[in-house]
Amino acid sequence: NAGVTQTPKFRVLKTGQSMTLLCAQDMNHEYMYWYRQDPGMGLRLIHYSVGEGTTAKGEVPDGYNVSRLKKQNFLLGLESAAPSQTSVYFCASRAGTTQYFGPGTRLTVL
Amino acid sequence: GQQLNQSPQSMFIQEGEDVSMNCTSSSIFNTWLWYKQEPGEGPVLLIALYKAGELTSNGRLTAQFGITRKDSFLNISASIPSDVGIYFCAGQILSGGGADGLTFGKGTHLIIQP
Repeated sequence: NAGVTQTPKFRVLKTGQSMTLLCAQDMNHEYMYWYRQDPGMGLRLIHYSVGEGTTAKGEVPDGYNVSRLKKQNFLLGLESAAPSQTSVYFCASRAGTTQYFGPGTRLTVL
Repeated sequence: GQQLNQSPQSMFIQEGEDVSMNCTSSSIFNTWLWYKQEPGEGPVLLIALYKAGELTSNGRLTAQFGITRKDSFLNISASIPSDVGIYFCAGQILSGGGADGLTFGKGTHLIIQP
């Protein structure tokens, strides 16, 4: 039981490049979330999913897209990366009222 | 959007001292959560509070859900070096049909001097 895993752990992109961050959970949770964390800030919700095949916008969705084709996976995509998207990205899944977080992906956009 | 005001931003204390931090909100939450984050890791849940007025302990940690549902505090007694990290409060509204995502405070950075 690995919990919530994220791939990759680190990535450096050039402005305009695209990439996909993968989140996987093996706990059979329905709810999954993507957050970003910036220095001196708490985590902010980007997008979320309440089940396979569903996605919705969170607090800061602009510049990101998501997909939940399989219950265990939640993908976060950046179509055209911008320096403002330099951040640490955390995925979480929820059972009941408790959210379990992955270890994070540190993304730098030059 | 909703905002949580967490204070203090940082604390420099001696090992063995007690610690207190709190969060206030302009909005009502159904659940208050306290997380700890260590460098290079995701947040880890410490305590969850589900009812206004609830006081819950987890070892040396004690947290309370304010009566107004707009605030919460976390106390750590007799701090030890492994308590070092960033502590986040988070509020949650469980509507049953929406995001139910967490709204986070900006964190309290705890530094312990031996």
